[in-house]
Amino acid sequence: EDKVVQSPLSLVVHEGDTVTLNCSYEVTNFRSLLWYKQEKKAPTFLFMLTSSGIEKKSGRLSSILDKKELFSILNITATQTGDSAVYLCATSGTYKYIFGTGTRLKVLA
Amino acid sequence: NAGVTQTPKFQVLKTGQSMTLQCAQDMNHNSMYWYRQDPGMGLRLIYYSASEGTTDKGEVPNGYNVSRLNKREFSLRLESAAPSQTSVYFCASSEARAGYYGYTFGSGTRLTVV
Repeated sequence: EDKVVQSPLSLVVHEGDTVTLNCSYEVTNFRSLLWYKQEKKAPTFLFMLTSSGIEKKSGRLSSILDKKELFSILNITATQTGDSAVYLCATSGTYKYIFGTGTRLKVLA
Repeated sequence: NAGVTQTPKFQVLKTGQSMTLQCAQDMNHNSMYWYRQDPGMGLRLIYYSASEGTTDKGEVPNGYNVSRLNKREFSLRLESAAPSQTSVYFCASSEARAGYYGYTFGSGTRLTVV
């Protein structure tokens, strides 16, 4: 059965800290892994990863995929209160994405 | 620049009532999806339509039906609502089959069944 497991489930940090969010997966016909940020409403796209070892970066956020060990990490450096959200990881099965339950990040001022 | 539009945004139903959630995308995407999101459960796929004219069940299809009306529109129907269907519903679309393209999500419908 395809599945995605995210850890930790929740995290509380102070502004300026660096955090690492984890996503492990088991899926047949793997094609890509996605990271989304969800605040009050719809998830917003962060990264799509398809190849091992290639880091994707966007400002203070970065992510990398390890297809051999079947996991990905999302790093956020110099966290800000605006980073408080649920971070979702998803991997593709055939025709659809399977989502993890998310990591809830709270950044304290 | 609408993207994916869902209606309504909020709805309260009584047990046994029926309703249809509407979803439309203006990005000429081929694939469309309906997910529900419950606390601690993440996003779970209800139904999807890989292309116009096709629909398939996801993880949690019971109690729901869908219609891919045309390339733009994909509706989700609850025939006889139950309290267990209280959830936030998201519609999503992608350019083609998942894996090669990410999703664009609608803003969600918060449904309460009493």
